[in-house]
Amino acid sequence: DAGVIQSPRHEVTEMGQEVTLRCKPISGHNSLFWYRQTMMRGLELLIYFNNNVPIDDSGMPEDRFSAKMPNASFSTLKIQPSEPRDSAVYFCASSSGLAGVEQFFGPGTRLTVL
Amino acid sequence: QQQVKQSPQSLIVQKGGISIINCAYENTAFDYFPWYQQFPGKGPALLIAIRPDVSEKKEGRFTISFNKSAKQFSLHIMDSQPGDSATYFCAASSGGYNKLIFGAGTRLAVHP
Repeated sequence: DAGVIQSPRHEVTEMGQEVTLRCKPISGHNSLFWYRQTMMRGLELLIYFNNNVPIDDSGMPEDRFSAKMPNASFSTLKIQPSEPRDSAVYFCASSSGLAGVEQFFGPGTRLTVL
Repeated sequence: QQQVKQSPQSLIVQKGGISIINCAYENTAFDYFPWYQQFPGKGPALLIAIRPDVSEKKEGRFTISFNKSAKQFSLHIMDSQPGDSATYFCAASSGGYNKLIFGAGTRLAVHP
């Protein structure tokens, strides 16, 4: 298995532009998590899905952020409009959805908003 | 009550020494306590995990000690090696959809 796949690996954009991050979870996993990592705030859970349905989006910082999971093999995290404070590494992770099992993280997308 | 508090923030250990990282929690409903290891430029990866029905779990040089009454758990790395230099995160979850609450992380440097 290729593991969790994220694209792009690096994104540099200007303030005000729309940014879309993509994630392909491990086949057969039915839970998907989006995290943001910064030096100041550590690893923050933004939103997670189970069977393609958003379960908890309380970590989404504001309305500029939105996430979708149109099918079991694809999810997007969109920021519109982007701001410099959104600069961070964004990770996607997937798991089997059972309680107390390993979450497998992707390699992350490093986002820089100028 | 959902927080997991981790200490220290950073740790320097000599090669061959013991690295100890501590975490504390408040939510008594937590029933799964994993440790994740993250190398620079990579995503976190599961290192070892424990459930509250045991007080200790050992996998090679890595041991989790769990104190249910004190609501604390710790990671011990025996015979620390330079290759162990990474950031370590403790986490906790309770039932449901495997939502993990992560600690702030500890940056470990093992000097040769």
